[in-house]
Amino acid sequence: TQLLEQSPQFLSIQEGENLTVYCNSSSVFSSLQWYRQEPGEGPVLLVTVVTGGEVKKLKRLTFQFGDARKDSSLHITAAQPGDTGLYLCAGADDYKLSFGAGTTVTVRA
Amino acid sequence: DAGVIQSPRHEVTEMGQEVTLRCKPISGHNSLFWYRQTMMRGLELLIYFNNNVPIDDSGMPEDRFSAKMPNASFSTLKIQPSEPRDSAVYFCASSFLYRDSNQPQHFGDGTRLSIL
Repeated sequence: TQLLEQSPQFLSIQEGENLTVYCNSSSVFSSLQWYRQEPGEGPVLLVTVVTGGEVKKLKRLTFQFGDARKDSSLHITAAQPGDTGLYLCAGADDYKLSFGAGTTVTVRA
Repeated sequence: DAGVIQSPRHEVTEMGQEVTLRCKPISGHNSLFWYRQTMMRGLELLIYFNNNVPIDDSGMPEDRFSAKMPNASFSTLKIQPSEPRDSAVYFCASSFLYRDSNQPQHFGDGTRLSIL
């Protein structure tokens, strides 16, 4: 059983469209990290959100941490083929990261 | 800067054989993690070392799995004997943890292990 539930599991969109990935949990975490993983590579950190209600922007990516620090969302504006990958959220509790199952995003040119 | 380096990148072997996976963490990092990734279970933490000492091995599936970190620049994960259900991608990650759980983990590119 995953501590963190991600939805949707798969997402396929056309270049230029927007998308949102959700990460939900019944547990409270000290922070939540978002990673992107490309085929044949390890996950790479995109952002860490710490404060409830926090919003962080990274170019066309917007990350939000829920007020209760149990859920988060990732929104991509005007998606590009380079955004294709597996997006993983991970809740931090001391040293331990608990990963969601991930959302596979495919952006078609 | 060199990232986390894992070897081999791919390993195919027959069941019953011993498998050794290797990891060189990023210099200066004090924490090392071994993960296993499968389609069914996603990314699972196997073991966590801090300053070369195993702190949490609760994720190690069974006694066939063992991990060592003889010094700050090297760690191994060994499976003996290997079984087909051990087939997965094994990742090593390192981080510098100091009173702050928000530090990112830096992952290697993984070892894709296939047990026939």
